[in-house]
Amino acid sequence: QVQLQESGPGLVKPSETLSLTCTVSGGSISSHYWSWVRQSPGRGLEWIGHIYYSGSTNYNPSLKSRVTISVDTSKIHFSLKVTSVTAADTAVYYCARVSVSGGWLYYFDYWGRGTLVTVSS
Amino acid sequence: DIQMTQSPSSLSASIGDRVTITCRASESIRSCLNWYQQEPGKAPKLLIYGASSLQSGVPSRFSGSESGTEFTLTISSLQPEDFATYYCHQSYTTPQSFGQGTKLEIK
Repeated sequence: QVQLQESGPGLVKPSETLSLTCTVSGGSISSHYWSWVRQSPGRGLEWIGHIYYSGSTNYNPSLKSRVTISVDTSKIHFSLKVTSVTAADTAVYYCARVSVSGGWLYYFDYWGRGTLVTVSS
Repeated sequence: DIQMTQSPSSLSASIGDRVTITCRASESIRSCLNWYQQEPGKAPKLLIYGASSLQSGVPSRFSGSESGTEFTLTISSLQPEDFATYYCHQSYTTPQSFGQGTKLEIK
């Protein structure tokens, strides 16, 4: 059974960088896309972006200038960095595995439990 | 960007009721529509992918359908564990986007 677990600071100061890691267990990072999604009362569920195990990425244009998703060389975790954070970045951050059916139907089939990140001084 | 509009935003129903939730896309997304169930304090759980394919392990009382840019999630006979919030999600184009959610409550 694939399991994902987010980790990282729960409190980040405005203008600093938010950094989270998602550790994957019970399965391999290879041959899948891996995504970050966040949820806040004001914005609902928001797709941040994804990374393929080989390293290619796709980001939400609204966040692209501030976001980096990377996968580690040991292929057991992937990470999210969001620079220059403001209160609007306060949210529960989820990591998720992306599965693909028929080569074009993308969906999130496994999710982490989520981690609350608050941006405040 | 593609906008996903869910209706209703909330719904009260009883055990055993048949319930329908609708999601309308602002433009064509082919069949790239997924449905998730979220309980309070938990991550979303995949129910339906590709508009109508039931995810493994999900009860058969859940079903999905599509007609053009309108997508429907149906629960044929509500069970106590079904009271939660439901979201649609389009994965057709970047940026991927979600509906605003439908909160299903016990009448």
